Amino acid sequence: GAGVSQTPSNKVTEKGKYVELRCDPISGHTALYWYRQSLGQGPEFLIYFQGTGAADDSGLPNDRFFAVRPEGSVSTLKIQRTERGDSAVYLCASSLQGGSPLHFGNGTRLTVT
Amino acid sequence: AQKVTQAQTEISVVEKEDVTLDCVYETRDTTYYLFWYKQPPSGELVFLIRRNSFDEQNEISGRYSWNFQKSTSSFNFTITASQVVDSAVYFCALRRAQGGNEKLTFGTGTRLTIIP
Repeated sequence: GAGVSQTPSNKVTEKGKYVELRCDPISGHTALYWYRQSLGQGPEFLIYFQGTGAADDSGLPNDRFFAVRPEGSVSTLKIQRTERGDSAVYLCASSLQGGSPLHFGNGTRLTVT
Repeated sequence: AQKVTQAQTEISVVEKEDVTLDCVYETRDTTYYLFWYKQPPSGELVFLIRRNSFDEQNEISGRYSWNFQKSTSSFNFTITASQVVDSAVYFCALRRAQGGNEKLTFGTGTRLTIIP
């Protein structure tokens, strides 16, 4: 079956602009996660959804970052006033339920110029 | 605080050799989960194994095996008879076992190159 789908695969934006990154989880997966991976580093947790609600957003670096999952399926990560330091690969993952192994998408490579 | 250390940044071995990837973790929790993920050049993280801290039995899956040593806080991963397709970055990760704590803490990864 289809895996986790992330769009776009690449995004280049200018400093100060707003961006939205989309994640389509595996059908039926109630848990959804966003991670950020900088070059040469492991993924860093950003936020976790159980259903429609954000169960843990402790990894969001500041209030420029926000994520939604209004219908408990597709999620959008939103970044306002982008900075060059936001450049990274943003990974989305889903799992059948909290505690199950995560299935990751291929990520969105964000470059802020 | 939780921490995962993968001291080996890069490893290269000749095809068919065995290779072990080290993982050392820190946690104050008595119950937790440990994971290994593979990240091939395509970028997608592929789940390999999850180990509960209560279960210290070593596990073997084909050419892959895992050695969990709670006494030394290590969860090492061995690939036997390595193949070129094993070339990837491998990540070890830790998660608390308490309900609602879904955050995975990853190590910095080990880049494994298998030389044909």
